Amino acid sequence: QSVLTQPPSASGTPGQRVTLSCSGSSSNIGSNTVNWYQQLPGAAPKLLISSKNHRPSGVPDRFSGSKSGTSASLAISGLQSEDEADYYCAAWDDSLNGVVFGGGTKLTVL
Amino acid sequence: QVQLQESGPGLVKPSETLSLTCTVSGYSINSGYYWGWIRQPPGKGLEWIGSIYHSGNTYYSPSLKSRVTISADTSKNQFSLKLSSVTAADTAVYYCARELSGSFDHWGQGTLVTVSS
Repeated sequence: QSVLTQPPSASGTPGQRVTLSCSGSSSNIGSNTVNWYQQLPGAAPKLLISSKNHRPSGVPDRFSGSKSGTSASLAISGLQSEDEADYYCAAWDDSLNGVVFGGGTKLTVL
Repeated sequence: QVQLQESGPGLVKPSETLSLTCTVSGYSINSGYYWGWIRQPPGKGLEWIGSIYHSGNTYYSPSLKSRVTISADTSKNQFSLKLSSVTAADTAVYYCARELSGSFDHWGQGTLVTVSS
């Protein structure tokens, strides 16, 4: 069981805006930065969003992150077929003194 | 261009020690950042194993701490993972990555390690 909770699946149609959720606690999301990773089929994870909604070079601005209390969200606007992937949230946990991941959400583009 | 490459045996026997090395190119591990290991069992999610700073400072996942050792060889620009007393539950793709404040911004391609007799 993952420390951060993500719905196992989500879907959307091309052009749509979808939001993926990540729920945690005061020791992780509530007090630390949330990072989002995209894992395309058969590939290594790729950092999508890091501290304070920062996107690494090359990540389209269609991807954005937000946080409220002990929950975080990843929004994808103008959904494209190449966005079909697994998405993971992660954060530092002050109680565990380490990095914790969510179980991942598999996004399907219909 | 920072690149990381994992290497090591793809098959380990139960109760033995899993050993992997991550070779970093395009960036000196002496220059900063933490360097970490993450694993992913087949069909499952990501699990952080632990990380090391070039000075040798390490921190490990509490669930694996008793079996994990991460070390660095700055002369070779490499860092390594040792996981002892492995079982089938340790079968996974193992990734190495560069870490800054819990964020992994560059990843290796991953290497599958199967625990089986």
